[in-house]
Amino acid sequence: DADVTQTPRNRITKTGKRIMLECSQTKGHDRMYWYRQDPGLGLQLIYYSFDVKDINKGEISDGYSVSRQAQAKFSLSLESAIPNQTALYFCATSDPRPGGEQFFGPGTRLTVL
Amino acid sequence: SQQGEEDPQALSIQEGENATMNCSYKTSINNLQWYRQNSGRGLVHLILIRSNEREKHSGRLRVTLDTSKKSSSLLITASRAADTASYFCATDRGSGNTPLVFGKGTRLSVIA
Repeated sequence: DADVTQTPRNRITKTGKRIMLECSQTKGHDRMYWYRQDPGLGLQLIYYSFDVKDINKGEISDGYSVSRQAQAKFSLSLESAIPNQTALYFCATSDPRPGGEQFFGPGTRLTVL
Repeated sequence: SQQGEEDPQALSIQEGENATMNCSYKTSINNLQWYRQNSGRGLVHLILIRSNEREKHSGRLRVTLDTSKKSSSLLITASRAADTASYFCATDRGSGNTPLVFGKGTRLSVIA
């Protein structure tokens, strides 16, 4: 089984809808991340969490919110989706060692019409 | 702003040739990592090099780091069609308590 799973894998929704993307990990890591990737671009950090009680904004948090339900679960919500949030979304996890390797989920392709 | 910037943005080579990708960064680092992404899929860690290391090898991969120039290179030797992917560098900005910052990547195409 995959170390990091994301659901759904694909989602098409309409402008104004609330969307939740879910992430689960079996690595036992405290640190989890949500990234967004637009075509031809690198990863932009949306939110990150270094433990269950820790939530931090990344570079592009506007329009997004997160919930860290447990060590293994970190969900991302788009409160009111807009077309320019159409992108590929990745969840990742890492251990707390400096420079710890990040393990990525397979991604969620979100299209907002 | 991006901490790491890869160069070139895209690279196309024949199978069997070597591929070299470069990464420049802005602030001091503890380590630099390289990741690979097959089209539309999650990134996979390839190799980590620490700031006190100058060169590191892993199979057909060779990574160098020049902290005085704030740059790193990833060399893939004897490339294969299966190496076709995007390659990203990521840096830690000198702290273990900040997330990695990823560059925009180099898209490598290996033509059989």
